[in-house]
Amino acid sequence: DADVTQTPRNRITKTGKRIMLECSQTKGHDRMYWYRQDPGLGLQLIYYSFDVKDINKGEISDGYSVSRQAQAKFSLSLESAIPNQTALYFCATSQRGGTQYFGPGTRLTVL
Amino acid sequence: SQQGEEDPQALSIQEGENATMNCSYKTSINNLQWYRQNSGRGLVHLILIRSNEREKHSGRLRVTLDTSKKSSSLLITASRAADTASYFCASSMDTGRRALTFGSGTRLQVQP
Repeated sequence: DADVTQTPRNRITKTGKRIMLECSQTKGHDRMYWYRQDPGLGLQLIYYSFDVKDINKGEISDGYSVSRQAQAKFSLSLESAIPNQTALYFCATSQRGGTQYFGPGTRLTVL
Repeated sequence: SQQGEEDPQALSIQEGENATMNCSYKTSINNLQWYRQNSGRGLVHLILIRSNEREKHSGRLRVTLDTSKKSSSLLITASRAADTASYFCASSMDTGRRALTFGSGTRLQVQP
C-alpha cells in the first residue's frame, strides 16, 4: 500500500463549488504539506502543518483552507473554486528538514 | 516567489551521455535536495546534501554544493531513456521552521 494517498485522483467541478481534497499518510510523519503545480512549472506551497495544532500559510494560500484532522490526515479545501485553480495538487509528508514523500497527485479542473 | 532557479529549463541528450543540471538558491540553507518527477506523477526523492557537505554520490547521480555561490548541480552519468523526467532542487532553510522551497525544474529528455 502507498505511504501517502490522495483522494480523489481526478476531479472536474464548476466555478463557485466547494471542493475538498484529502490526504492520508502511514509514515508516522509530523509534517504535512499541500502544493500546487501548474503545467510545465515547479511546485508552489499552499499550506503546511508541522503538527496537528501548527498550521502555516505558504506562498499561495489565498482561496484555499486546510484542516489537520489527525497526525495522519491533512485536507485542502477550495471554498469557491475558480478556473485559475485548475492544476495538479500534491500532498507530501516529512520529518523535520528531511526528505519529503509525495502522494500521487490530484488533477483538478475547474470549469 | 520560488527561491530556487534551475538551469537549463530543458535539456535533450542521447542515451549514454551525461546530463548536468544546475540550481541556485537565495538564502542560507540547512540542506538541499533533488527530486525527480515523471510526467504528471508525484515527486520522488533522489538525494540530499547537507550544507557542510560539498559532494555526494548515489549510483549514477553526483551532487555538488557550493554554499559560497549558493548553487548546486546534479550530474547523471551514462544516461538512459528511463531517466527522462523533470528534476527539481529543493532547499531547506536554516531556521527549521520553514517548508522546502522548490526550484522551477529542468525537463530532461534522453533520446534512445
